[in-house]
Amino acid sequence: AQKVTQAQTEISVVEKEDVTLDCVYETRDTTYYLFWYKQPPSGELVFLIRRNSFDEQNEISGRYSWNFQKSTSSFNFTITASQVVDSAVYFCALSGPMIKAAGNKLTFGGGTRVLVKP
Amino acid sequence: DAGVTQSPTHLIKTRGQQVTLRCSPKSGHDTVSWYQQALGQGPQFIFQYYEEEERQRGNFPDRFSGHQFPNYSSELNVNALLLGDSALYLCASSSPQGALLYTEAFFGQGTRLTVV
Repeated sequence: AQKVTQAQTEISVVEKEDVTLDCVYETRDTTYYLFWYKQPPSGELVFLIRRNSFDEQNEISGRYSWNFQKSTSSFNFTITASQVVDSAVYFCALSGPMIKAAGNKLTFGGGTRVLVKP
Repeated sequence: DAGVTQSPTHLIKTRGQQVTLRCSPKSGHDTVSWYQQALGQGPQFIFQYYEEEERQRGNFPDRFSGHQFPNYSSELNVNALLLGDSALYLCASSSPQGALLYTEAFFGQGTRLTVV
């Protein structure tokens, strides 16, 4: 069975501070994918990033960066120089191999609410 | 290009009633998944439809059923509603990239169901 844990329920920062969101996962699949989604008050889940289990290279995309460590089953996400518009609930999610025959069911963590104050 | 659209946006039902929620996937997507998100929690996978058949199912009772139409749109039906069914119901669509791997899932804004 797959499991995703986001230990932080809420983080509050002042604008321009960096925010790091923690995510720990469990899976028996050898090939899997990890995601971060953002959920603003409107309710729609917005895709941010995707990483597969074979690529541990950490990257930066604009103000977003992520740190994937297979050895500790962690997939942390950082927002640099936070802005008020970043206020939302952030979800870490896990899927299996995502091959056509198997589908792409997502297992989500409980979410971390980020509040960025001006 | 329209994204994933869901209807209605809000719904209030009485215990014991039945409800139908609708979803139109993003253009070009052929796979539709449904998730239930209780207040303050992460989304929970209900089931996924592909080629008009239920392909995967989460840990939900048979009161939850669905359908996918030839145009890839989908419905979620819930019978004998319970107070605990109150939640945001999210639809997600995706499609295989090439012959093998799926794209990431794109979500609609959801239907907020309240059971009283």
